[in-house]
Amino acid sequence: NAGVTQTPKFQVLKTGQSMTLQCAQDMNHEYMSWYRQDPGMGLRLIHYSVGAGITDQGEVPNGYNVSRSTTEDFPLRLLSAAPSQTSVYFCASSYGININTEAFFGQGTRLTVV
Amino acid sequence: GDSVTQMEGPVTLSEEAFLTINCTYTATGYPSLFWYVQYPGEGLQLLLKATKADDKGSNKGFEATYRKETTSFHLEKGSVQVSDSAVYFCALSGANSKLTFGKGITLSVRP
Repeated sequence: NAGVTQTPKFQVLKTGQSMTLQCAQDMNHEYMSWYRQDPGMGLRLIHYSVGAGITDQGEVPNGYNVSRSTTEDFPLRLLSAAPSQTSVYFCASSYGININTEAFFGQGTRLTVV
Repeated sequence: GDSVTQMEGPVTLSEEAFLTINCTYTATGYPSLFWYVQYPGEGLQLLLKATKADDKGSNKGFEATYRKETTSFHLEKGSVQVSDSAVYFCALSGANSKLTFGKGITLSVRP
């Protein structure tokens, strides 16, 4: 049972480079989201999706793009990496958008922008 | 908007000590409340939850009670183990169904 799978686990980018963080879930969950985790800041929502073809911005969306062409996949794109985007990124999914629903998290991608 | 405030850390305890981690929240309506735990090198996983006032969530010896009158959801465990060393996040899911997290607190348990 894979759950939520994120790749890569570690990445170093140079300022200005672009890349895509991959996220896939095999639980047929409707709701998927991306967070970044920074020391002393907790987790902050970047983008989320309530189903295939539907995405919306979270708390800190600038510099990131997302798309949701399938239920399973929710990639996060960094268009032009900046040192401020150095962080640990987590993808999460849940069955629906009911407020009682548990979120399942991937193991994270540690990104360093130099 | 919704917000979650956790006590400042880190916290270091000896094995078998009593644990309390404070969490208070601000939200409109009637949010659901959660504690998530992050073990070293891993993602977050749900520890326990409560969906209405006076509910008590419990799991692995941890407990937390949803107190609407004090807008709190404090996490407790009677006897911590070394294996409980982790980062603990309080979170709420409110009217917009998005999770709002506290800053997290690191717990270290010494043998």
